[in-house]
Amino acid sequence: RKEVEQDPGPFNVPEGATVAFNCTYSNSASQSFFWYRQDCRKEPKLLMSVYSSGNEDGRFTAQLNRASQYISLLIRDSKLSDSATYLCVVNTGSARQLTFGSGTQLTVLP
Amino acid sequence: DADVTQTPRNRITKTGKRIMLECSQTKGHDRMYWYRQDPGLGLRLIYYSFDVKDINKGEISDGYSVSRQAQAKFSLSLESAIPNQTALYFCATSGSRNQETQYFGPGTRLLVL
Repeated sequence: RKEVEQDPGPFNVPEGATVAFNCTYSNSASQSFFWYRQDCRKEPKLLMSVYSSGNEDGRFTAQLNRASQYISLLIRDSKLSDSATYLCVVNTGSARQLTFGSGTQLTVLP
Repeated sequence: DADVTQTPRNRITKTGKRIMLECSQTKGHDRMYWYRQDPGLGLRLIYYSFDVKDINKGEISDGYSVSRQAQAKFSLSLESAIPNQTALYFCATSGSRNQETQYFGPGTRLLVL
């Protein structure tokens, strides 16, 4: 089983739609959680951290369920510029390394 | 100017050749990382360094070596390249205070024939 698993995707949605991505992680000792965004042929960039109480940044909402070892990202009112691959990232281990999911591709259509 | 730079950006080489990928950063971060990205597999950690005298193996270090020449420079070597090392390679940095936010370089596309 992969340490971090994401929805396989790809997701193709119209502008203005709401889309949700899910992610599960296998290491119950994981301490920190993130969503990174990666544009085509570009480097990953931090989108947002995920806190236990849930957090929101504009149109983006991240949720964490430690009991189920589940993380989600909700994007409301999708824009064309949201088209990218979204990487679920978990901090695990004593060395606090980041483990990346394989990503979910989102295409927002006009 | 970019905070994390990688050279070369693209490289084609032949099996058995020695290749070095270089990474430089101007962020003043102590921690540096090398990842490779393959389709469907996400990013996998090759090596990481928490300071100039500290080098650690990551998930997939076999076939690779690294050198931390200075706080700002971290290079990755493939001593004898093989075709399954064809991938997109990223360098990343993080600060010791906010170690979990990593800043990535633009990547190096390597093709081993």
